[in-house]
Formats: sequence, structure tokens, C-alpha cells
Amino acid sequence: GAVVSQHPSRVICKSGTSVKIECRSLDFQATTMFWYRQFPKQSLMLMATSNEGSKATYEQGVEKDKFLINHASLTLSTLTVTSAHPEDSSFYICSAINQETQYFGPGTRLLVL
Amino acid sequence: DAKTTQPPSMDCAEGRAANLPCNHSTISGNEYVYWYRQIHSQGPQYIIHGLKNNETNEMASLIITEDRKSSTLILPHATLRDTAVYYCIVRVEAGGFKTIFGAGTRLFVKA
Repeated sequence: GAVVSQHPSRVICKSGTSVKIECRSLDFQATTMFWYRQFPKQSLMLMATSNEGSKATYEQGVEKDKFLINHASLTLSTLTVTSAHPEDSSFYICSAINQETQYFGPGTRLLVL
Repeated sequence: DAKTTQPPSMDCAEGRAANLPCNHSTISGNEYVYWYRQIHSQGPQYIIHGLKNNETNEMASLIITEDRKSSTLILPHATLRDTAVYYCIVRVEAGGFKTIFGAGTRLFVKA
């Protein structure tokens, strides 16, 4: 199957700082990517849909000014958590579509101290 | 997208077949059944999908009832590494792809 990578795999930051997470489609181009968040023992929650060359579409309740998404190329989408707080600590997962199937990255574990 | 119902957890003995059920009684004619699994602390992994016919690949088999209101994912010879949360999702194959995850079934494969 297609490969989606994320970087970094885990990050620890201080409260108030910003953190950037990268999502790449390694062997295919993706005009659309998705960002999910997962808290411990919960299911994945869709945060936003990232569209190459245009603005992201955010799900209800997700602050677009806090979670900045940039999909600058057909193989890269970035999620920036701005002014991170401890409640933003979570597992962030991206996904992309290749040939009608959705593939997921390995996830990025964010810990905000 | 149609809602799915799955048991919260199941056990299976290693080497035996694991049969994971999913109810999707409100599925529409153009909606596919997709199965993903998530091993602890990893991203979800695609397993299989189908529309109305039964499907098989190297990982699993998917059995869809004739009325399409339910399906079963079969792992023919479960191993300890198959312990994971399994998600059944129904959605149209093309367009959107805004996959919404339910709670899934936590499968424990025991030695």
C-alpha cells in the first residue's frame, strides 16, 4: 500500500510555544490530506481537511487560528499547533488518499509541559 | 455516512479465526464497507473494503450479507500481533473521504 510519513514521531515542548508537524505522502501525490487527533483510550477525531493550494476546512469546534494547516505541495501538509498548552497534548495523525483508499501516517505524539 | 455498530471488545485464541462483526443497517447503495485497525500507539492501517461481494486479501476476508446491513471481518489465523482496535466504516468510495471513526472493537488475541 501507499506510504504516509510524519515528522517528528514525538515532541515535547513548553507551554506557549508552537509546534509544527509534517505529513508527507512518499510514493504518491495527494491533493487532499486529513488531520486527526486522538486522546488516550479514545477514537480518532477528525480535525480538518487539508487541500493543496487552498484553505483547509475545519471541523466544528476546532480553532483554525490555533491549528494552522498548510498544504503547500502535493506531497506535504503541515499542522502547526500555536501557543500550545497542556490540554493540546495528544496523538496527531494525518492521512492521505491514494487510488480511492485512505492511508494513515504513523502519528505524532505531542506532550506540552 | 452511515453509522456502524461494533462490539466494544472481543477475545480470540492465537491460531484461531477471529470474526469481527459490524452492523450498518442504514447503509446506502453507493456506500462501501471499509475496515481499518489501529495497533497501540500507531496510525490506523487499511485492511480491506468491499461493496456487496465478499472480498479476500492477504490480511483478511470480508463477508457482507446479501442485504448489506451487516458484515464480518475474518482474520483466518489470528496471531498476537493482531491485537488491536478494529474499525468498521461505511462511506462512498469517491469524493469526500471524510472518514469518521467510531469506537471500534478492541480485539485481544491470547496465547
